[in-house]
Amino acid sequence: DTGVSQDPRHKITKRGQNVTFRCDPISEHNRLYWYRQTLGQGPEFLTYFQNEAQLEKSRLLSDRFSAERPKGSFSTLEIQRTEQGDSAMYLCASSPGPPPNEQFFGPGTRLTVL
Amino acid sequence: DAKTTQPNSMESNEEEPVHLPCNHSTISGTDYIHWYRQLPSQGPEYVIHGLTSNVNNRMASLAIAEDRKSSTLILHRATLRDAAVYYCILDRGAQKLVFGQGTRLTINP
Repeated sequence: DTGVSQDPRHKITKRGQNVTFRCDPISEHNRLYWYRQTLGQGPEFLTYFQNEAQLEKSRLLSDRFSAERPKGSFSTLEIQRTEQGDSAMYLCASSPGPPPNEQFFGPGTRLTVL
Repeated sequence: DAKTTQPNSMESNEEEPVHLPCNHSTISGTDYIHWYRQLPSQGPEYVIHGLTSNVNNRMASLAIAEDRKSSTLILHRATLRDAAVYYCILDRGAQKLVFGQGTRLTINP
C-alpha cells in the first residue's frame, strides 16, 4: 500500500500525559499537512510542511502542540500535557505540490483523553 | 477564508443520479473549487476540482455556473458506497483546505 499511513490508529491517554503521532506521507510528496477533526465537524487545518520547513501554523496549534518533519519525509505531531479538549481525530495528508493539487489523506489517529 | 454553503443532508436512491449543490457567492477569479468526501471512519478523499469549465473524472462530474457563484457535484449512478459527507471547498492558494460542515449523503437501497 503506497498511501499515507498514520500510527497509532487509536490512542487513549490520561489528562496531563504527552502523546506523539507519526505520519508517513506518499514518498514523492513534498507537502505534508496536519488537520484535526472533532465529532460532527469538518477537519480543521493545524499546520503544513514543504519538505522539512514548517511554513504555516494555525492559531489552533497552542504551545502544547509541536510538529516536526526532520528529513522531509515522515512527520510527528506531539501534544504535551494533554487536555480532554484535545480528544479528536488527527489527520495527516500529503500532496505533490501546492493547490490545486489534491491532498491524499491518511486514516487518522483517534485520540481519547480521559 | 472563502465561504461555501451546502445543504446539511441529502438523500437519494441507489443507481440514481445525485446532484449535490454548493453556493460560493464570494468566489474570486482565481479560486479553484474542490470537492472531497469522507466515508465513515476514514480520512477525506479527493473527488474532483475545477476552475471555470465543467470537469469529468471517473468518480463524478463538476458543473460550474457561468458566474461561478455556485457549482454542482454530480454522481451519475449512486451506489451504497457513495454514502459519505461531501465537502465543497474554495482554494485561494492558501496551501490548506478549509472544510465546512459538508453535506451528509444517504443512499437508500
